Amino acid sequence: DAGVIQSPRHEVTEMGQEVTLRCKPISGHDYLFWYRQTMMRGLELLIYFNNNVPIDDSGMPEDRFSAKMPNASFSTLKIQPSEPRDSAVYFCASSFGMAGVETQYFGPGTRLLVL
Amino acid sequence: AQSVTQPDIHITVSEGASLELRCNYSYGATPYLFWYVQSPGQGLQLLLKYFSGDTLVQGIKGFEAEFKRSQSSFNLRKPSVHWSDAAEYFCAVGARSGNNRKLIWGLGTSLAVNP
Repeated sequence: DAGVIQSPRHEVTEMGQEVTLRCKPISGHDYLFWYRQTMMRGLELLIYFNNNVPIDDSGMPEDRFSAKMPNASFSTLKIQPSEPRDSAVYFCASSFGMAGVETQYFGPGTRLLVL
Repeated sequence: AQSVTQPDIHITVSEGASLELRCNYSYGATPYLFWYVQSPGQGLQLLLKYFSGDTLVQGIKGFEAEFKRSQSSFNLRKPSVHWSDAAEYFCAVGARSGNNRKLIWGLGTSLAVNP
C-alpha cells in the first residue's frame, strides 16, 4: 500500500491567498484526521471524518478553515484567506475504525509557510 | 480534564545507553495508549500501543512500554539506544466510544543521541 498521500509537500504563499491541502487516505480506511503541528502548540487535531462525514470539527481554529471529504479516497483542507499564523506542518492521518484499537497512519505532511 | 504530560521536553543520551521517556495521562475512561515517533521532516509512525492484557508492551525498533494504572503512566523504554533513534517521541491516549476516535497528544520529547 502507498500509505497516506498528501500534496503538496511544501507550500509557500502570501497572506490573503487561498490554500488547499489534499489528502488521499489508505484504501479501506474509514476514518480521516487532519492535524496541525507547530512548535508552540504541538500536534493539534483540527477535524476528523468517519465514512466521509465530519465527526468533530471543534479543533478548526476559525471560519477561515474548512475541510471536506467528498468520497472515501480524498479530502481537502482549505484556508481562505491565509494568514502568517497559519504557518505550520499539516498532517493527514487515516485509520480503520473496525479494527479495535485503531492505529492512525500519518502522511508525510504539508509544510505551509504564509508570508 | 483529559491530558497527556510528557515531562521531558528534550533528552540527550549516549549511543548504547538505556532510555526511558516518561508519559503521564489523565483520562476518565479506561485508556488506549500509544507511542509514536517522528523523524525529522517525516510523519508520525506508531511504535507501540496498549489497550488491554499484559501491561508490558513490545513495539518496533526494540522499544517497549509499561502501563501502570496506579501511576497513570505509560513510559517508553529501550535498553540500548542507537544513533538512528534520534527523533521526536509522542505519547497519546484515547478511548473507543461510539465513533469517537479522538486522541489526546502529549507535546513530545525530543531525543538526541551522542555518538
